[in-house]
Order: sequence, then structure tokens, then C-alpha cells
Amino acid sequence: EAQVTQNPRYLITVTGKKLTVTCSQNMNHEYMSWYRQDPGLGLRQIYYSMNVEVTDKGDVPEGYKVSRKEKRNFPLILESPSPNQTSLYFCASSLVGRLAHGYTFGSGTRLTVV
Amino acid sequence: AQSVTQPDIHITVSEGASLELRCNYSYGATPYLFWYVQSPGQGLQLLLKYFSGDTLVQGIKGFEAEFKRSQSSFNLRKPSVHWSDAAEYFCAVAPSGGGADGLTFGKGTHLIIQP
Repeated sequence: EAQVTQNPRYLITVTGKKLTVTCSQNMNHEYMSWYRQDPGLGLRQIYYSMNVEVTDKGDVPEGYKVSRKEKRNFPLILESPSPNQTSLYFCASSLVGRLAHGYTFGSGTRLTVV
Repeated sequence: AQSVTQPDIHITVSEGASLELRCNYSYGATPYLFWYVQSPGQGLQLLLKYFSGDTLVQGIKGFEAEFKRSQSSFNLRKPSVHWSDAAEYFCAVAPSGGGADGLTFGKGTHLIIQP
């Protein structure tokens, strides 16, 4: 089944403790992206990647890192999480140049930073 | 830069009634347009999309949307809603050339269905 898999689904952590949210897709998509969803703000793009070793900042990149060492994986790294990063995170993927077909989204990761 | 406005934060509709969710976009050219639905605790599911051709597009679950270039709008409609349609709905745009900017989302409309 074609899908985007995020792990974990739920995570509670403490301020300053480094964490990684994994994202993997099995559709051979070049384009991958991370969004955060907050009430009243909709979805905002954090980082995106057009292909392996090619990443770029989205609208709200502060406090986040990403890497794209393999085509299928696009982990989101929070080096020193803070409470304002408490949010619902979505990973998405698409074929480059095929954005007309929309994204495939993962099921989301609900992160709470205390 | 592209932007999307969903003027209605919440909408309440009676089951069986018709529905229209509004979406306006700002973009220099005709973008690709999408509607996504997010059921409680779920990810986002694509309802329908427009990128060329017929301005009335049909989607899944009985939804349709009409692109009106003169009004920069892409409103979502359904003739008769079901209780299972209660969800968050997001309108989104992407540059028509594809590109790296990806999707820009509106802030969402929360649909409540009353019996």
C-alpha cells in the first residue's frame, strides 16, 4: 500500500531533550515536506526537500532541522525542544513536478513539550 | 507570495442540508487548487483538485468545487451532508508550475453537523 509513515504518533517530552520524528514513504517520491498544524493557524510548512541531499526552509523553520540522506526518509529533528513546539506535525510527499496531484500525508505526530 | 483565505472558522449545518465552504486565494496566475478533509484524529485526505479544464470538479464523498477565476474563489459544495462529514476542511493552493513552494493552506473551516 502506498503510504507515508510517521513515528511516533504521540510523543511527550521535556524541554531541551533532543528528539527525532521519522517519516518514510514507499512511493519513490522526490518531494517531501514537513508541516505543523496549530489551532487557528492551519498548516504551516517547516522544511521541504526536492530530492536526496536537497533541503530548504519553509515558513516556520526556526528550532527544527531535517536531513535527506535517502529518498524514502525525511526525519524531523528538534535539537532542543521548547513548549512553543507543542503541535501536530505532518509529513507529506509528492512527485516533483506533479504537485497538481496533491500530496500524500502521513497520519500525524502529536508532540507535547513540557 | 500565494495565500489562501477561508473566511468561516466554524460552520454548522443540519444533516441533509446543503453545504458550501468558501475559499479565496491570492496568486499572480491560476494556481493548482485543492480541498483536503481532516477527520478527528486523522491525517489529511484529498477531496478534490483543480488544475485546468472544466471549472466544476467532482471529488470523493459526493463533494464538488467550482473554480471562479474572476472571484479568485474555489468553493466546496455538497448537496446533502451526512453526520460523517463533520470534520476540518482545508483549502490549499500550489504554484501552477509545480516548484518548491509546495502547498499553502488556509486556516481551515470546522464543519459541525447537527441532527
